[in-house]
Amino acid sequence: SQQGEEDPQALSIQEGENATMNCSYKTSINNLQWYRQNSGRGLVHLILIRSNEREKHSGRLRVTLDTSKKSSSLLITASRAADTASYFCATDYNFNKFYFGSGTKLNVKP
Amino acid sequence: DAGVIQSPRHEVTEMGQEVTLRCKPISGHNSLFWYRQTMMRGLELLIYFNNNVPIDDSGMPEDRFSAKMPNASFSTLKIQPSEPRDSAVYFCASSPRGLAGMGEQYFGPGTRLTVT
Repeated sequence: SQQGEEDPQALSIQEGENATMNCSYKTSINNLQWYRQNSGRGLVHLILIRSNEREKHSGRLRVTLDTSKKSSSLLITASRAADTASYFCATDYNFNKFYFGSGTKLNVKP
Repeated sequence: DAGVIQSPRHEVTEMGQEVTLRCKPISGHNSLFWYRQTMMRGLELLIYFNNNVPIDDSGMPEDRFSAKMPNASFSTLKIQPSEPRDSAVYFCASSPRGLAGMGEQYFGPGTRLTVT
């Protein structure tokens, strides 16, 4: 895989359900970030987790980081139709290297 | 705060023409990034600047692409000559963080470039 790849590529759930997306990466990182992109718009930063952190919360978002497995997950609880978007993880690695994965397309059905 | 401003929002040009995309970062941010997004290749980092100095341009696809940041409030990405395969959405982003670990990036609305 590339440095920072999400799975699944697409996810469809009902409103109110939880959505979980995963990100795997190859090399050691300084931090990992999650972004959301609504169709036709720029990316919006959601949350940043540093390499020495294991879990972080922001509202309905919960991010975990497992550096031993080189993976992260983004959990969106009690999803809403407005959460429909693509979600990207971005890794900050080596020195001054930054890479976005290919994203997970989330569809929340009302 | 107005956020990151990009212009134009849409650009349609013919192959061989010069294209210049513009970006105004958020005031006070010292890092600026140019990205290209396509269905096939996803989001690619082209170049980024810190304190107006290009730090990493390894993502610039070829010599037809050039980027400048003459001051802290303005950057350009130029393609000359343009080709149909350059068609994409180009995003500019800025960040308040420096080289010691990337911070959150704030994206502009993008420029949708179509080269015919």
